[in-house]
Amino acid sequence: AQSVSQHNHHVILSEAASLELGCNYSYGGTVNLFWYVQYPGQHLQLLLKYFSGDPLVKGIKGFEAEFIKSKFSFNLRKPSVQWSDTAEYFCAVISKAAGNKLTFGGGTRVLVKP
Amino acid sequence: DAGITQSPRHKVTETGTPVTLRCHQTENHRYMYWYRQDPGHGLRLIHYSYGVKDTDKGEVSDGYSVSRSKTEDFLLTLESATSSQTSVYFCAITNQPGSTDTQYFGPGTRLTVL
Repeated sequence: AQSVSQHNHHVILSEAASLELGCNYSYGGTVNLFWYVQYPGQHLQLLLKYFSGDPLVKGIKGFEAEFIKSKFSFNLRKPSVQWSDTAEYFCAVISKAAGNKLTFGGGTRVLVKP
Repeated sequence: DAGITQSPRHKVTETGTPVTLRCHQTENHRYMYWYRQDPGHGLRLIHYSYGVKDTDKGEVSDGYSVSRSKTEDFLLTLESATSSQTSVYFCAITNQPGSTDTQYFGPGTRLTVL
């Protein structure tokens, strides 16, 4: 079965620090990759997505992610975080070979201290 | 934001009682999904629908049933609620899974089963 792993469950950092969240998936074939963000008390919002083309994807709010096919990874980065980036971040993968169902990682809670 | 509403937004119920959650969309999207969100598990798919009266099971479907009699409404029913079904439930919609389309999420329903 397809699976998505987010190795960091909790991350605490100070404003202006750089952020990198890891995401690995377990299956081959063509995949579509997503990062969603959930701010406290809110629903999931799309941060960025990768379908094809340039493996470095830029999203909203200064976030970017890099798809490395050989490593089955899609890590999320932001060079300088703000307090307002405090949220839970979810990596998700969809694959035609796996029935086109979106599979989520367990999430990473990020706390940015002012 | 996509036009997705969920009702109720919060519910407290007792073990053994039936519960129905409603997802309503105004986007005329073909696919609708129910997920549950639990700490450390991300979002897990319960059931999904690929058209009116067309539904299928997801990863964690035991104890849940769904119905879709109209394009805009997707109902999730817990026939006899258990404490393990205490969770936050999210509905999502999309037009074409696996393509360049994205899943959009509703605001969530927080369900507590005592």
